[in-house]
Amino acid sequence: AQSVTQLDSQVPVFEEAPVELRCNYSSSVSVYLFWYVQYPNQGLQLLLKYLSGSTLVKGINGFEAEFNKSQTSFHVRKPSVHISDTAEYFCAVIRINAGNMLTFGGGTRLMVKP
Amino acid sequence: EAGVTQSPTHLIKTRGQQATLRCSPISGHTSVYWYQQALGLGLQFLLWYDEGEERNRGNFPPRFSGRQFPNYSSELNVNALELEDSALYLCASSLAETVYSNQPQHFGDGTRLSIL
Repeated sequence: AQSVTQLDSQVPVFEEAPVELRCNYSSSVSVYLFWYVQYPNQGLQLLLKYLSGSTLVKGINGFEAEFNKSQTSFHVRKPSVHISDTAEYFCAVIRINAGNMLTFGGGTRLMVKP
Repeated sequence: EAGVTQSPTHLIKTRGQQATLRCSPISGHTSVYWYQQALGLGLQFLLWYDEGEERNRGNFPPRFSGRQFPNYSSELNVNALELEDSALYLCASSLAETVYSNQPQHFGDGTRLSIL
């Protein structure tokens, strides 16, 4: 079995401040890791992904994430947020070669205040 | 490049009725996935179709079913609707499934199904 935990359901932050959204996962097999962003009344947009190689991956809109295998974490960061980053962020994993289903965390609502 | 398109945007039904949701994948994508985003339950995997075949199914009752057509578009059918089926249903598509499942899934904007 696998599970994904997003430790914060809401993260309020002021504009231009840095932010980190946390994600931990558990899996008995190797996984691929993803972050998706959902703006109000829209579907999910791929923010970034980790498949293999360098543990630091860059995504869209200035976000980056670091895969830490020993801590089974995949936290995403942005050095300076904008009002337009206000959205719901979902961490997700796929077990490699096991059915292609994304397992999602519960989501983190990022609220950027002016 | 057109993204994943879903129709209708909103669908209102009553208990016991049947609902049909439609999805057109990104051109060139052969895999289609369905997810349910229900309040309080988060995002849950429903179904995965590839090359017209059902490849994987989530933990949902048999009244949730679907199919994939030769042009790779897909339908999700929900029979005997219950109040708890109210949710946003998201469709995603990806390039052909590889052994290592490394093709990212791209999502549509969803169909909001409301059961009265």
